[in-house]
Amino acid sequence: QKEVEQDPGPLSVPEGAIVSLNCTYSNSAFQYFMWYRQYSRKGPELLMYTYSSGNKEDGRFTAQVDKSSKYISLFIRDSQPSDSATYLCAMSADNAGNMLTFGGGTRLMVKP
Amino acid sequence: GAVVSQHPSRVICKSGTSVKIECRSLDFQATTMFWYRQFPKKSLMLMATSNEGSKATYEQGVEKDKFLINHASLTLSTLTVTSAHPEDSSFYICSARDLRSNYGYTFGSGTRLTVV
Repeated sequence: QKEVEQDPGPLSVPEGAIVSLNCTYSNSAFQYFMWYRQYSRKGPELLMYTYSSGNKEDGRFTAQVDKSSKYISLFIRDSQPSDSATYLCAMSADNAGNMLTFGGGTRLMVKP
Repeated sequence: GAVVSQHPSRVICKSGTSVKIECRSLDFQATTMFWYRQFPKKSLMLMATSNEGSKATYEQGVEKDKFLINHASLTLSTLTVTSAHPEDSSFYICSARDLRSNYGYTFGSGTRLTVV
């Protein structure tokens, strides 16, 4: 079993839809959770960074962490074709710049 | 925010030659940088952790002599793919984290290596 599980998709939605992306994990030591967006042939771009459980909102993006269930989510409201990319969740146990553990990524396609 | 610059973005080389990829933290110092490899439609695979002033730490299965890492300063780490073979063709990405901020890791834009 992988430490971080993420449905690879592809997830296809119409423009304007609410998108829900999720990851589950097994390591209870993880406390720092990140979501990255990666366009084809580009490096990952940080979207959201959260610590411990709770919600965090930034524009159209909302990140949720439920440590009791070992489950994190990223919601995208009013999705746009430009949101079409691969979304990677990542997490780490400490804040000291040590190694991240990534999910496999979910490919999202938002159709006009 | 923190910026990581990676160069070159694309490189094509002949089998048997060596290729150097640079990763620079532009507006912060990074004692630790990370090198990843990504196969098409796959997630990032950590290859090694680059430590300023000391030897890199390689992940299991990664050949140290093939993927040479040098972290000579607080803003620069290099990955050299030695005696490249077609199977080394891949997307290589570096990352670093600005410990002064509350943000996550910042990634370089990646290097597409093609060995012919």
